[in-house]
Amino acid sequence: DVKVTQSSRYLVKRTGEKVFLECVQDMDHENMFWYRQDPGLGLRLIYFSYDVKMKEKGDIPEGYSVSREKKERFSLILESASTNQTSMYLCASSAKGSGDTQYFGPGTRLTVL
Amino acid sequence: QKEVEQNSGPLSVPEGAIASLNCTYSDRGSQSFFWYRQYSGKSPELIMFIYSNGDKEDGRFTAQLNKASQYVSLLIRDSQPSDSATYLCAVTHTGGFKTIFGAGTRLFVKA
Repeated sequence: DVKVTQSSRYLVKRTGEKVFLECVQDMDHENMFWYRQDPGLGLRLIYFSYDVKMKEKGDIPEGYSVSREKKERFSLILESASTNQTSMYLCASSAKGSGDTQYFGPGTRLTVL
Repeated sequence: QKEVEQNSGPLSVPEGAIASLNCTYSDRGSQSFFWYRQYSGKSPELIMFIYSNGDKEDGRFTAQLNKASQYVSLLIRDSQPSDSATYLCAVTHTGGFKTIFGAGTRLFVKA
């Protein structure tokens, strides 16, 4: 059974803190993605990675960075959290090649105070 | 103009009826089309994908693709209360890894 896990379901941080969100997949997928989901805006791509140590900016990369040191793990970093980064963060993975099904983790609801 | 557009709803149908969910996209070169279902508080899960023009059926679900009109739809036959969820249309752009999601249509199936 495919599995994508995220380090926390709920997280509360203060403005200016550095925040790490971790995602692990056990499907040996090449592609991994970070999205944020906000009401009325749907899923917006922050960053994605198609191989270890490779990363590409998505539509809203500002204020975020990522790290992929191992194939199964993709981390999202908020360098200095701000209140407008309060959101649901979803990690996903897919097999090699474009157009493949994405499998999502359970999500992390981040609140920045 | 949004790249993938869906009516936000809510769409309300009685139990047993056909629910019709629609999606339009702007990139004429898009090649892969997906429908995901997302229950409240949960993450999206794939229902169907379609690559070619025409219809694709899977149980009570039928995906329809019309590339000339840049239109993709999802029909749910014999709708059940358990189908109540938000349905996300997703489109993968030509030659890339990026998938663009619509904002979703909320469906309510009334018992």
